Amino acid sequence: GAVVSQHPSWVICKSGTSVKIECRSLDFQATTMFWYRQFPKQSLMLMATSNEGSKATYEQGVEKDKFLINHASLTLSTLTVTSAHPEDSSFYICSAWTSGKETQYFGPGTRLLVL
Amino acid sequence: LAKTTQPISMDSYEGQEVNITCSHNNIATNDYITWYQQFPSQGPRFIIQGYKTKVTNEVASLFIPADRKSSTLSLPRVSLSDTAVYYCLVVPNQAGTALIFGKGTTLSVSS
Repeated sequence: GAVVSQHPSWVICKSGTSVKIECRSLDFQATTMFWYRQFPKQSLMLMATSNEGSKATYEQGVEKDKFLINHASLTLSTLTVTSAHPEDSSFYICSAWTSGKETQYFGPGTRLLVL
Repeated sequence: LAKTTQPISMDSYEGQEVNITCSHNNIATNDYITWYQQFPSQGPRFIIQGYKTKVTNEVASLFIPADRKSSTLSLPRVSLSDTAVYYCLVVPNQAGTALIFGKGTTLSVSS
């Protein structure tokens, strides 16, 4: 199946700092990428949808100025958590979709811990 | 998007067949039924997808009745490593549709 990678796999940062998470489609071009957040023992929650070359669409309740998404190429999307706070600590997962496939492929996730 | 209902949890023993049923009464004509598996601290992994009747791959089988209002994921001869959360999703066959996850079914396999 298609491969999606994320970097870093885990990150610890101080409160007030910004953290960037990368999502790459390794063997296909991703027309659309999605960002999810998952808290312990909960399901995945969709945060935003990003299409290459255009602005991301955020789900209700997700602050677009806090969670900056850039989908600059067909193989890379980045999520930047700005001015991180402890409540932003979570598991962030991206997925990628490409024309011709009826399903999405997920990255391995990034564990963020804000101290 | 069609809402899905599946059991919160299931228990099984190694070597048994496990069937997880998902209800999706409001499934639309262009919707596909897709199952994902997720281990702790990992992203979901695609297992199987179908539109109608039966689909089988090297991992699982998916049974879909004619009315498509439910589906059953069948895992043959489970092992301890099949302990995971299984998500049933109904996905429109439209470009770039986001997946909305429900609570999933936590499958626990014991020896």
